[in-house]
Amino acid sequence: EPEVTQTPSHQVTQMGQEVILRCVPISNHLYFYWYRQILGQKVEFLVSFYNNEISEKSEIFDDQFSVERPDGSNFTLKIRSTKLEDSAMYFCASSQGFSEAFFGQGTRLTVV
Amino acid sequence: AQSVTQLDSHVSVSEGTPVLLRCNYSSSYSPSLFWYVQHPNKGLQLLLKYTSAATLVKGINGFEAEFKKSETSFHLTKPSAHMSDAAEYFCVVSLYTSGTYKYIFGTGTRLKVLA
Repeated sequence: EPEVTQTPSHQVTQMGQEVILRCVPISNHLYFYWYRQILGQKVEFLVSFYNNEISEKSEIFDDQFSVERPDGSNFTLKIRSTKLEDSAMYFCASSQGFSEAFFGQGTRLTVV
Repeated sequence: AQSVTQLDSHVSVSEGTPVLLRCNYSSSYSPSLFWYVQHPNKGLQLLLKYTSAATLVKGINGFEAEFKKSETSFHLTKPSAHMSDAAEYFCVVSLYTSGTYKYIFGTGTRLKVLA
């Protein structure tokens, strides 16, 4: 069964450092997403990506965040200068649009 | 605006008894609705989905949900809880906006199953 793959599963970084979270969506999907879940809180939408550009982004997705689909298979989330409050589980998802989203297993980001 | 409300943040049931996790939605058109489950330290797994076909939807692990338009509800049920059902459950609505599809999560219900 096809699945969304995320790497790494856990990333520890120092405050102020840049991190790149990587995702390989399902190959025939057209819509790509990043969500985050701060420990014990709800799953929050960050950004959606379609046709090689951002479709929508939330208030959380400020200038410190960027997304890229560099090679037609990977989908990355970059945080330019991490803050303590960026510590969370980050989920990548993909969908065909009209049905369910498939989520990866998540990357737990810890900013120290 | 589209949204989902999960009425209970925590639900406790005894093993072998029925499970009811409540979800109400708000949508200006016929929505697509989903239930996802998240086991501790795991990702989000689709339990079941409603996309305007049958109103009673069966999912994995014995779960089912009924779409009731008149009540704007999509409650998740299971006849008999198992210890392995202990997890966080999310009701999700999808909407089409700004040229893309977006999935909006409820706040989640943590299910505890007592032996």
